[in-house]
Amino acid sequence: EAQVTQNPRYLITVTGKKLTVTCSQNMNHEYMSWYRQDPGLGLRQIYYSMNVEVTDKGDVPEGYKVSRKEKRNFPLILESPSPNQTSLYFCASRSQGLLHFGNGTRLTVT
Amino acid sequence: AQKVTQAQTEISVVEKEDVTLDCVYETRDTTYYLFWYKQPPSGELVFLIRRNSFDEQNEISGRYSWNFQKSTSSFNFTITASQVVDSAVYFCAGGGSNYKLTFGKGTLLTVNP
Repeated sequence: EAQVTQNPRYLITVTGKKLTVTCSQNMNHEYMSWYRQDPGLGLRQIYYSMNVEVTDKGDVPEGYKVSRKEKRNFPLILESPSPNQTSLYFCASRSQGLLHFGNGTRLTVT
Repeated sequence: AQKVTQAQTEISVVEKEDVTLDCVYETRDTTYYLFWYKQPPSGELVFLIRRNSFDEQNEISGRYSWNFQKSTSSFNFTITASQVVDSAVYFCAGGGSNYKLTFGKGTLLTVNP
C-alpha cells in the first residue's frame, strides 16, 4: 500500500531535549516536505526536499533541521525544542503535484 | 507570493442543508493548481480534489461539487445535503509551477443532526 509513515503519532517532551520525528514514504517520490499545523494558521511549510541531499527552507524553518540521505526518508529534527514548537506536524511526499500526507505527529513541548 | 483566503472560520449547519465553503487564491502565476483537503476529527488530511487553472469546468462528485472561476480567483466547494460525517476542517490550497503549496487557514464545518 502506497503511504507516508510518520512516527511517533504522539510525543510529549521537555524544553531543550533533542528529538527526531521520522518520515518514510514507499512511493519513490523525489519531493518531500514538512508542515506544521496550528489553530487559526492552517498548515505552514517548514522544510522541503526536491531530492536526495537537496533540502531548502520553507516558510517557518527556525528551530528545525532536516536531512535527506536517502529518497524514502525525511526526518525532522528539533535540536532544542521549545514550547512554541508544540504543534501538529505533517510529513508529505509529492507526485505530479499531488501531496500525500502522513497521519501526523502531535508534539507537546513542556 | 501566493495567498489563500478562506474567509469563513467556522460554519454550522443542520443535517441535509447545503453548504458552500469559500476559497480565494491570489497569485501572479498564470498556471497554478488548486486543491481541497478534508481533516476529520481523527486528524489525518484527506485529499478531495485538484483543479488546474486552465480548466474551468465545474466538477461534481456525489454530494460534493466545486466551482472554479478564474476571473474572481475563487474555488468554492459545495456539499449538498450535508451529513454529520461531513463535519471536519476543510483546507483550500494552491500552488504554482513549482508546486509549492500554500494553505488557507481552514474552515471548521459542523453538521448538527
